[in-house]
Amino acid sequence: DAGVIQSPRHEVTEMGQEVTLRCKPISGHDYLFWYRQTMMRGLELLIYFNNNVPIDDSGMPEDRFSAKMPNASFSTLKIQPSEPRDSAVYFCASSLGTSGRANEQFFGPGTRLTVL
Amino acid sequence: GDSVTQMEGPVTLSEEAFLTINCTYTATGYPSLFWYVQYPGEGLQLLLKATKADDKGSNKGFEATYRKETTSFHLEKGSVQVSDSAVYFCALNRPQGTALIFGKGTTLSVSS
Repeated sequence: DAGVIQSPRHEVTEMGQEVTLRCKPISGHDYLFWYRQTMMRGLELLIYFNNNVPIDDSGMPEDRFSAKMPNASFSTLKIQPSEPRDSAVYFCASSLGTSGRANEQFFGPGTRLTVL
Repeated sequence: GDSVTQMEGPVTLSEEAFLTINCTYTATGYPSLFWYVQYPGEGLQLLLKATKADDKGSNKGFEATYRKETTSFHLEKGSVQVSDSAVYFCALNRPQGTALIFGKGTTLSVSS
């Protein structure tokens, strides 16, 4: 398997523009997670899905952020409108489960977002 | 709520030095504990894990023992290499399962 795939790897946009980040989890993994990494706040969970259904979105900072998982092999994280404070590295991760031996999360390479 | 606390970095060592990165946690029940490593420009990779008290996780010369009495999971390596330079994250996962809770990360820099 190719691992978790994220695109784009880098995104530079201007304030107010819509940004869409994409993720393809490892095939067969039932859980998908979106994280944001910044110097100030470290790694923060934004939202996670189980079998394509959002389970916990309490980490989504505000209504400008939305995430979808239309099928088991694809998820998007959208920011509209984007702001400079959204600049961060966004990671997608997937796992077989969340307990026992299935709880190892596999991370994608991340998308580095810069909002000017 | 559940949380993970790591020692502040950066940690700077010479090659072949002994490494300890401290990690303590607060959690209800018996969480699983993890160390992840992030090399420059890459995503996180699982380094090792332990799922119950007194378990020792090990990988690539790194070790960590799940100590419930001290709520700790310190990462150790007997002889670090330049290639170990990275950011190390301690994390926990509750038995019922949710997303991982990460510490803030500790940057390790090893010089030759």
